[in-house]
Amino acid sequence: DTGVSQDPRHKITKRGQNVTFRCDPISEHNRLYWYRQTLGQGPEFLTYFQNEAQLEKSRLLSDRFSAERPKGSFSTLEIQRTEQGDSAMYLCASSVDRGGVLRTQYFGPGTRLLVL
Amino acid sequence: QQQVKQSPQSLIVQKGGISIINCAYENTAFDYFPWYQQFPGKGPALLIAIRPDVSEKKEGRFTISFNKSAKQFSLHIMDSQPGDSATYFCAVPGSFTSGTYKYIFGTGTRLKVLA
Repeated sequence: DTGVSQDPRHKITKRGQNVTFRCDPISEHNRLYWYRQTLGQGPEFLTYFQNEAQLEKSRLLSDRFSAERPKGSFSTLEIQRTEQGDSAMYLCASSVDRGGVLRTQYFGPGTRLLVL
Repeated sequence: QQQVKQSPQSLIVQKGGISIINCAYENTAFDYFPWYQQFPGKGPALLIAIRPDVSEKKEGRFTISFNKSAKQFSLHIMDSQPGDSATYFCAVPGSFTSGTYKYIFGTGTRLKVLA
């Protein structure tokens, strides 16, 4: 069990550019979550996947954001036409959930995005 | 939208003292309540969690107390150590109206333990 990994750990980009983040969950974890965390706040839910299906998206996830989990393993989060307000820590978490029960989510180290 | 109220916002405790952080919620679809610990620049890490078929759970120096009727739970850190200095988040499962399979996090408590 190597834990949840995220890449890159840091990203600095100019406003208007597109960025993509990757998350590798704990192996055999069938649920994968994306959260956003701004300074001094708790993580805010963005979206989650059950295997490869994206089952819920937050209203925080504007149409500039898209997430995929093509084979039910790793996931990518893309932000198009970045804005300064997108600057935040993007956290990925995974869990093993069977039978419709919410269990512990294990977080990765996060990707810190700075939009200039 | 589910509201999760966490207090205090910040806490300063002397080494060896007791740190107490509180969390209150409105509704939830599942009974599973974790506390996460986060150090600067790191992702949140699970500290301790409780299913409220019990009113208290203890793991080492960390204890969760749960009051289901009041919809409140708290984290107690006994014999607080400087290494406990971090930000602590409570997490509450979403309600059926807010979406179930996610957590709603509190705003965090910055704990500083003085040596």
